[in-house]
Amino acid sequence: DGGITQSPKYLFRKEGQNVTLSCEQNLNHDAMYWYRQDPGQGLRLIYYSQIVNDFQKGDIAEGYSVSREKKESFPLTVTSAQKNPTAFYLCASRGRGPSNTEAFFGQGTRLTVV
Amino acid sequence: DQQVKQNSPSLSVQEGRISILNCDYTNSMFDYFLWYKKYPAEGPTFLISISSIKDKNEDGRFTVFLNKSAKHLSLHIVPSQPGDSAVYFCAASSNFGNEKLTFGTGTRLTIIP
Repeated sequence: DGGITQSPKYLFRKEGQNVTLSCEQNLNHDAMYWYRQDPGQGLRLIYYSQIVNDFQKGDIAEGYSVSREKKESFPLTVTSAQKNPTAFYLCASRGRGPSNTEAFFGQGTRLTVV
Repeated sequence: DQQVKQNSPSLSVQEGRISILNCDYTNSMFDYFLWYKKYPAEGPTFLISISSIKDKNEDGRFTVFLNKSAKHLSLHIVPSQPGDSAVYFCAASSNFGNEKLTFGTGTRLTIIP
């Protein structure tokens, strides 16, 4: 089955530690996105990538880093510089062309700093 | 700067009636708009989209209307069903394909049986 998979579903991190969230897709999509959801804030874009080995900052990139070494993978690292990392993180992918313009989302990772 | 706005955080509608969810945008470069439905602790699922060359798109119980001059779009759900209770997000992008996808803050729709 084609889809987009995020892991883990729940993640706990101690303050001061970096943590990496996984996102894998087998939809052959070029574009991938990371969003963060907080109560009452909607979905805010952290980073996005239109092609392998290239990515752009979104609206709230500070304290985060990404890589895009493979088309199917777009991991997000939440660094210790992120002041308020507890949130629900969503990864999405999107294809090219007018017939492939909807984004498909993973099931999300809830990160809690303890 | 919130380029996509959903000014109603919540909406309650009786089962069987029409639900109308609204979305406004400020960036005139946006030319493709999408609506998503989201349940708690899950990823959003795509509902319906519309290109800026159209003013209406229908898919079953869902219809999206676009008013470019007002920079406004709306999602109509008719008839509303209990399973429609969820948070609805509108989103916008400026090109087909791989442009930045910007979401609104969401509207929580509750269908009253």
